[in-house]
Amino acid sequence: NAGVMQNPRHLVRRRGQEARLRCSPMKGHSHVYWYRQLPEEGLKFMVYLQKENIIDESGMPKERFSAEFPKEGPSILRIQQVVRGDSAAYFCASSPTLYEQYFGPGTRLTVT
Amino acid sequence: KNEVEQSPQNLTAQEGEFITINCSYSVGISALHWLQQHPGGGIVSLFMLSSGKKKHGRLIATINIQEKHSSLHITASHPRDSAVYICAVTPNTGNQFYFGTGTSLTVIP
Repeated sequence: NAGVMQNPRHLVRRRGQEARLRCSPMKGHSHVYWYRQLPEEGLKFMVYLQKENIIDESGMPKERFSAEFPKEGPSILRIQQVVRGDSAAYFCASSPTLYEQYFGPGTRLTVT
Repeated sequence: KNEVEQSPQNLTAQEGEFITINCSYSVGISALHWLQQHPGGGIVSLFMLSSGKKKHGRLIATINIQEKHSSLHITASHPRDSAVYICAVTPNTGNQFYFGTGTSLTVIP
């Protein structure tokens, strides 16, 4: 059973471009979480999704950020018109239940 | 105020030393997690606890629900234990983890 997959592992975008981060959960997991880790800071919750539903997006910035988890395919975290402050590591985790989470390797976004 | 507080923030130890990292939390929880993150690396789940104590190799995690406190111990520390150790809780209400800011551990040969 492969672990949580994230791609790309590293992403460089210029200011104003769009960033798309993908997360494929472990087989059989229907819960997906996105977290952001800013440089020199701890992990912060962004959004919790189940298939085709956003359950909790209380940690998402109000503008430019969106997430989806379609019926087929990976979960996508989309950042429009990126700014330097979006540079961070973005981690996805998947879960078969509400209590245990398995983390992906992360996507390191650099905005130049 | 952060829901999860860890101490110390940074820790340097000599190889072989016994190490303790502490975690205090302020919310009701259904579970507490200890995670490990190597520099530039991904995050590995070490333990999930809701009561008592768990042991895995040289790692031991304990939790006191009444005092809202957990400790992670590393016995006979080794340079390969050098990493950031993160405490996280799953609150009784809500669907997410709350994370501590991490303890950066360096074990010197």
